[in-house]
Amino acid sequence: AQSVTQPDIHITVSEGASLELRCNYSYGATPYLFWYVQSPGQGLQLLLKYFSGDTLVQGIKGFEAEFKRSQSSFNLRKPSVHWSDAAEYFCAVTNNAGNMLTFGGGTRLMVKP
Amino acid sequence: DAGITQSPRHKVTETGTPVTLRCHQTENHRYMYWYRQDPGHGLRLIHYSYGVKDTDKGEVSDGYSVSRSKTEDFLLTLESATSSQTSVYFCAMSVQDNEQFFGPGTRLTVL
Repeated sequence: AQSVTQPDIHITVSEGASLELRCNYSYGATPYLFWYVQSPGQGLQLLLKYFSGDTLVQGIKGFEAEFKRSQSSFNLRKPSVHWSDAAEYFCAVTNNAGNMLTFGGGTRLMVKP
Repeated sequence: DAGITQSPRHKVTETGTPVTLRCHQTENHRYMYWYRQDPGHGLRLIHYSYGVKDTDKGEVSDGYSVSRSKTEDFLLTLESATSSQTSVYFCAMSVQDNEQFFGPGTRLTVL
């Protein structure tokens, strides 16, 4: 069965600092990987996705993620964090059919001024 | 959010009461999903639908049923609500390339 682990439940960074959120997945075949962001009281918004091809994918709001098959990881990065990035971030994996999206437990990001 | 709405947005009910949550899409997508979100668990799939009258169970389906009589509507029913079903419920639809687009959520409290 597929699974996703986000090892960091909470992360605090200073505004302007770089950010990396970790995501490890377990899946037998080539995964479809996603990062979603959820602001307080809001729904989920897709940041970026990986299906195949270039292992470094660019998303919205200046985020990027790198797929590393050897490490079963899909870490999310941003070079300079803004206060508006404070939110909860979810990594997710699905199968080829796309009908079983499995989420990690989420990482809550706080940004210090 | 454009394309998918949920109603009600907030509901408080009592243990043992039946509850129905509605998800409505305006874009004719075939696949729709119901998730629940609980702290530390991310989102977990309850049920999904792959067409009118075609549904299947997800990871946490016990205590829930669904129905899809029209492409645009996907209903989630708690036949007899329990306190463990207090949660935030999200509906989603598959839009392209296995990507799912989420509704705004329904916060359900069972007293």
